[in-house]
Amino acid sequence: AQSVTQPDIHITVSEGASLELRCNYSYGATPYLFWYVQSPGQGLQLLLKYFSGDTLVQGIKGFEAEFKRSQSSFNLRKPSVHWSDAAEYFCALFDTGRRALTFGSGTRLQVQP
Amino acid sequence: DTEVTQTPKHLVMGMTNKKSLKCEQHMGHRAMYWYKQKAKKPPELMFVYSYEKLSINESVPSRFSPECPNSSLLNLHLHALQPEDSALYLCASSQGGGGGAGNTEAFFGQGTRLTVV
Repeated sequence: AQSVTQPDIHITVSEGASLELRCNYSYGATPYLFWYVQSPGQGLQLLLKYFSGDTLVQGIKGFEAEFKRSQSSFNLRKPSVHWSDAAEYFCALFDTGRRALTFGSGTRLQVQP
Repeated sequence: DTEVTQTPKHLVMGMTNKKSLKCEQHMGHRAMYWYKQKAKKPPELMFVYSYEKLSINESVPSRFSPECPNSSLLNLHLHALQPEDSALYLCASSQGGGGGAGNTEAFFGQGTRLTVV
């Protein structure tokens, strides 16, 4: 089965601190992986994506993610968090059977001043 | 234009009402999706349309009826809903087709916040 796990339900960081959000996937072949961000009551905005090639991918808003096949992980990072980064973050996997995205349970990021 | 437009943004309906949610994209995408998102939960797939044909129905109750009139439009017809159907309904589109990874990136609308009373 193809699935995504986000182990952290809620993370709080101080403004200016670094951030890492964890994502693990289950898929036999090379996965297509995405990170989306959602502000309250809003739609989802794509931060970055991984298809193949370079395992470190850069996205918008200063985010990056590293694909590690050996750990089945695709963790999202940001060197210095801003208050405006407070939101819900979803890791997603393209499910080749349904030909649609399957989402992890999400991680809520809170930023302290 | 990388926008997916959903209308209305908010909808309140009674359990005996009939209403429709609308979704539009002009990116030439051939795959369109409906997702349902409850509070503090991830989006859950409801329907997938590929080349204007329904390809996936995730065992959604028949009180939800999707329709794809043309390649740019996707509707979700609602009838006799229950209060537990209250949620954010998200529409998305992707290039679709059997091509490579680039066809899988999904663009989401802002959603319709539905409240069933």
